[in-house]
Amino acid sequence: NAGVMQNPRHLVRRRGQEARLRCSPMKGHSHVYWYRQLPEEGLKFMVYLQKENIIDESGMPKERFSAEFPKEGPSILRIQQVVRGDSAAYFCASSPIQGEYAFFGQGTRLTVV
Amino acid sequence: QQQVKQSPQSLIVQKGGISIINCAYENTAFDYFPWYQQFPGKGPALLIAIRPDVSEKKEGRFTISFNKSAKQFSLHIMDSQPGDSATYFCAARTGQGAQKLVFGQGTRLTINP
Repeated sequence: NAGVMQNPRHLVRRRGQEARLRCSPMKGHSHVYWYRQLPEEGLKFMVYLQKENIIDESGMPKERFSAEFPKEGPSILRIQQVVRGDSAAYFCASSPIQGEYAFFGQGTRLTVV
Repeated sequence: QQQVKQSPQSLIVQKGGISIINCAYENTAFDYFPWYQQFPGKGPALLIAIRPDVSEKKEGRFTISFNKSAKQFSLHIMDSQPGDSATYFCAARTGQGAQKLVFGQGTRLTINP
């Protein structure tokens, strides 16, 4: 049973481009969480999704950021018109049911140049 | 009130010594307190967790001590080994069943051989 798979592991984007980060949850997991980790800081919650539903997006910036978890395929975190301040590690976690421990992926390290 | 404050920011311990990392919180709605271990370039991995109705939990060399009245909890690593060198994060979750975690700022632990 593969763990939470995130790709790409590293992503370099120029200012103004779009970044698309993918997360495939563990088999049987229908809950996905995205966290952002700035250098030398802890992880900050961004969004919680279930299949086809956004449950809690209280940690998402109001502009340029969006997330989805379609019925088929991975969860996608999309950042439009990236700026240098978006450079960070983005982690996805998944869990099978509400309240169960969530497993983290290895993260996508986004660098905006 | 949603913050979890972690100290120290960095810690150096000799091999065989005891490593102690402390966290404090304000929100009494938190109902689950996990500790994560993160190696460079990897995602956080759950180390040990405790609920507020328990004052201590031990798993191998790792122990969580929990003081509900003081709203503080700590991680103790006994007989610290060089392989324990990593960044440690405390976290807290509200009693809403989802894995929306509030993380501390992290402690970079170095165990000298």
